[in-house]
Amino acid sequence: DAGVIQSPRHEVTEMGQEVTLRCKPISGHDYLFWYRQTMMRGLELLIYFNNNVPIDDSGMPEDRFSAKMPNASFSTLKIQPSEPRDSAVYFCAVGRQGSAGELFFGEGSRLTVL
Amino acid sequence: AQKITQTQPGMFVQEKEAVTLDCTYDTSDPSYGLFWYKQPSSGEMIFLIYQGSYDQQNATEGRYSLNFQKARKSANLVISASQLGDSAMYFCAVDYKLSFGAGTTVTVRA
Repeated sequence: DAGVIQSPRHEVTEMGQEVTLRCKPISGHDYLFWYRQTMMRGLELLIYFNNNVPIDDSGMPEDRFSAKMPNASFSTLKIQPSEPRDSAVYFCAVGRQGSAGELFFGEGSRLTVL
Repeated sequence: AQKITQTQPGMFVQEKEAVTLDCTYDTSDPSYGLFWYKQPSSGEMIFLIYQGSYDQQNATEGRYSLNFQKARKSANLVISASQLGDSAMYFCAVDYKLSFGAGTTVTVRA
């Protein structure tokens, strides 16, 4: 398996534009997490899914953020409209029930909003 | 909600020596897991070690060991025989949803 695949790896956009970050998880892992990492706030959990169902989205900063997992092979994190303070590295990670908590992270998507 | 505290923003260690990274946590959950992750400069997050709150023995994984003191809510990571490749940011985390600490940067000197 190729691991968790995130795209794009880097994105530069202008304020107000829509941004869509994508994640292809490892098959057989029933938990999927979206994190955001910034220098100021560190690593923050935004939302997580279990078996494609959103379980906890309390970390989503505001209504401009939305996440979907239409099937076990794909998830998206959308920001609309984007703002400069959304600039961060966004990580997708997957885990499996009973795996002693080991999560596999993607390489992250670095977003810069000008 | 969980709160994780890593009080050491940065540490230097000589190659081949051991280093201890501190982590304290606060959780109301009766059962929880403690994790350490490594983030090298390339940015990826790498799982290192896990400790269950009911585990009787401290977890070990190669050169990594976790000094778990449940009553003190402390879960320090010990890296033995440091290598240059250990230079990275290290994060302590609690629970499956992984509330992360602020991290400790470790720099290994030759």
